[in-house]
Amino acid sequence: RKEVEQDPGPFNVPEGATVAFNCTYSNSASQSFFWYRQDCRKEPKLLMSVYSSGNEDGRFTAQLNRASQYISLLIRDSKLSDSATYLCVVRNTGKLIFGQGTTLQVKP
Amino acid sequence: DARVTQTPRHKVTEMGQEVTMRCQPILGHNTVFWYRQTMMQGLELLAYFRNRAPLDDSGMPKDRFSAEMPDATLATLKIQPSEPRDSAVYFCASGLVGTRRARNYEQYFGPGTRLTVT
Repeated sequence: RKEVEQDPGPFNVPEGATVAFNCTYSNSASQSFFWYRQDCRKEPKLLMSVYSSGNEDGRFTAQLNRASQYISLLIRDSKLSDSATYLCVVRNTGKLIFGQGTTLQVKP
Repeated sequence: DARVTQTPRHKVTEMGQEVTMRCQPILGHNTVFWYRQTMMQGLELLAYFRNRAPLDDSGMPKDRFSAEMPDATLATLKIQPSEPRDSAVYFCASGLVGTRRARNYEQYFGPGTRLTVT
């Protein structure tokens, strides 16, 4: 079993839709949580950190449930430019552990 | 705009040949990571260094892979001998960890080296 698990998708949604991605992690001692975005044939880039109280950055909302070891990302009013792979990431000591990623395709 | 740089960007080689990949981390970052990404396994951590000292290389096949940081501006990942199963994209990332200036353990990735071993 992988330490960070995500539904690979793909999620195909129309522009303007709201879409949610979920992720579970197995190590209860994980210390920090993130969502990274990776465009096709590009490097991963930090999208946002995830805080225990939940946090929002524009159209993006991230939530963390430590009891269930569950992380989510909600994208509202999706744009064509949101099409990418979204990587759920947890930090254990100094290392980041990446999920396989969830692919989002936003269609006109 | 500071960036992590990696060379070469693409490498095609024959099985058995030595491959050396280079990375220049962002100036001032104290931690350097090497990752490998494949469709099957996703992004896997191979090794990482803090202040040029190797901290963890448990993700790296020891018999053929080696990682070094000869100075603060250069990290290398070497495969000798290479095998077709090593074909992947190899990313280097750097970050600033454990200091007051550190931000959320964010890692900045280079553009990657796309390796094909035939």
